[in-house]
Amino acid sequence: GAGVSQSPSNKVTEKGKDVELRCDPISGHTALYWYRQSLGQGLEFLIYFQGNSAPDKSGLPSDRFSAERTGGSVSTLTIQRTQQEDSAVYLCASSLVPGGEQFFGPGTRLTVL
Amino acid sequence: GENVEQHPSTLSVQEGDSAVIKCTYSDSASNYFPWYKQELGKRPQLIIDIRSNVGEKKDQRIAVTLNKTAKHFSLHITETQPEDSAVYFCAANYGGSQGNLIFGKGTKLSVKP
Repeated sequence: GAGVSQSPSNKVTEKGKDVELRCDPISGHTALYWYRQSLGQGLEFLIYFQGNSAPDKSGLPSDRFSAERTGGSVSTLTIQRTQQEDSAVYLCASSLVPGGEQFFGPGTRLTVL
Repeated sequence: GENVEQHPSTLSVQEGDSAVIKCTYSDSASNYFPWYKQELGKRPQLIIDIRSNVGEKKDQRIAVTLNKTAKHFSLHITETQPEDSAVYFCAANYGGSQGNLIFGKGTKLSVKP
């Protein structure tokens, strides 16, 4: 079946602009995660959605970052007033149950000029 | 906060040799320990995982061992092949069985033919 998809695959923006990144999880997966991966670095947790529970936002680096998940499916990560240090690959993952195997999307490469 | 330490950061082996990557974690409630492989430019993919009720798990050339008392777990790859070259990430859940994953910073494995 279809895996996790993300769009756009690449995004180039100017400093100060807002960007929206989209994630379509695997159908039926209740948990959805966002990570950030800077060049050559590890996976930095950003936010975690589980069903109808309040999201775990403990990884968001600043109040410029926000995310929502509508209808328990598609999620959007929004970065306001982008800065150059926001440049990274943003990865989304989903799992069938919380704490289960996470399946990653291909990522969105964000470049802030 | 919760933390996962991973060593070494880079590892170079000759084809046919074994490779070992080690991780330690801090949350005594962690009970799920997956390992992900990320090839250059691709998304992370699960290669093996272990839960806290067992001490070792094998899958062909890959094995993972877990020592809950010492809070460390290791990935063992035997008879390495050039296609094993990638970045490997360990992870541990935190906050219980439904918790999110914290990832180590990764190990870049190079297998020389």
